[in-house]
Amino acid sequence: GIQVEQSPPDLILQEGANSTLRCNFSDSVNNLQWFHQNPWGQLINLFYIPSGTKQNGRLSATTVATERYSLLYISSSQTTDSGVYFCAVEGAGGTSYGKLTFGQGTILTVHP
Amino acid sequence: NAGVMQNPRHLVRRRGQEARLRCSPMKGHSHVYWYRQLPEEGLKFMVYLQKENIIDESGMPKERFSAEFPKEGPSILRIQQVVRGDSAAYFCASSPRAGQRTEAFFGQGTRLTVV
Repeated sequence: GIQVEQSPPDLILQEGANSTLRCNFSDSVNNLQWFHQNPWGQLINLFYIPSGTKQNGRLSATTVATERYSLLYISSSQTTDSGVYFCAVEGAGGTSYGKLTFGQGTILTVHP
Repeated sequence: NAGVMQNPRHLVRRRGQEARLRCSPMKGHSHVYWYRQLPEEGLKFMVYLQKENIIDESGMPKERFSAEFPKEGPSILRIQQVVRGDSAAYFCASSPRAGQRTEAFFGQGTRLTVV
């Protein structure tokens, strides 16, 4: 099945700093989503971005499907950005139909 | 438009008991997915269901686990004779369809603790 690798595994920032999280995937994808899992365990949809670039406030994301990677940018980080960021993809192959494969996540800690 | 609703939020079961986890998809969504997050791990796909049909159960353990999505009512993930290793967060997601250009939305999860 499709493989998803996220980097870095851990990231520690001071409030106000910018960061880039990366997601590499091993095959063509139908769908790609970024999620934030907050300290209470809730999974929050950040972006649905199988290709192209999107922005939402201080967050933006870019997926280059032909090169099999996606980037999540966080600018002017805040302590509430802390948590785990997951990239998840639905492979384009028939066996992946309908299901998301998650990366291992990037644990972000933002200090005041 | 309410989001994906899961209940209970927290469930404690003794070893050997049964656990039933419920998921009501978003309005208009007929595709439901269950994922499990073991401690310190990422989320793993378990099963994909449409109304009255199991489409893909390749991620389900072969024994003790079952899932259904009846014509009426929520989707149910059932774990029989729970063991300590079943302790995890179980997430349900829904989408209006599968395939290209389909965003999945997740519920808040059910945290199962087996004592």
